[in-house]
Amino acid sequence: NAGVTQTPKFRVLKTGQSMTLLCAQDMNHEYMYWYRQDPGMGLRLIHYSVGEGTTAKGEVPDGYNVSRLKKQNFLLGLESAAPSQTSVYFCASRPDGTHYNEQFFGPGTRLTVL
Amino acid sequence: GNSVTQMEGPVTLSEEAFLTINCTYTATGYPSLFWYVQYPGEGLQLLLKATKADDKGSNKGFEATYRKETTSFHLEKGSVQVSDSAVYFCASRGTGGFKTIFGAGTRLFVKA
Repeated sequence: NAGVTQTPKFRVLKTGQSMTLLCAQDMNHEYMYWYRQDPGMGLRLIHYSVGEGTTAKGEVPDGYNVSRLKKQNFLLGLESAAPSQTSVYFCASRPDGTHYNEQFFGPGTRLTVL
Repeated sequence: GNSVTQMEGPVTLSEEAFLTINCTYTATGYPSLFWYVQYPGEGLQLLLKATKADDKGSNKGFEATYRKETTSFHLEKGSVQVSDSAVYFCASRGTGGFKTIFGAGTRLFVKA
């Protein structure tokens, strides 16, 4: 099992450019999440999905879109990147809605917007 | 709303010292509580968890006890190693909740 993988690992964008971050999991998990991690602020939830074809907004959804067309993939899109979106992005998954199960995290994508 | 508060870092200790990282939570009902660890350049991984009051989670020498009366889940280790240097996150998830609430993280440095 590869677990949760993220592509790419690093990316530099110019303001206004667009890009898509890909998250893939091979554990047949229902729930998937996108977070951003900024210094001193812990993890903030951007969007999440509770199953194939579903998405929902988290704490900081503005400027991002997501899609979950296949159960194993969760895509995060930036339509018009801004310097405030410079961050480390983490994808996570968990088996289902059982409240005590853990999340499995990917290795992260470091994004810089100039 | 629900929240998690953990002690600010960084925490700097010498090898073999005793570690405590405080964590308190606010939530309705009985949330599940977690400690995650993030090593440099990596994603978070579960360290331990507890799902009901008075449960003790333990792993790799780390322990935390779910204290409902004080709404706390403090992380402890009797003797830290250099390899324990990482960022530690306390987290909670309520029953029926889709989302996990994370604390801000506490960075630990262990000196040889």
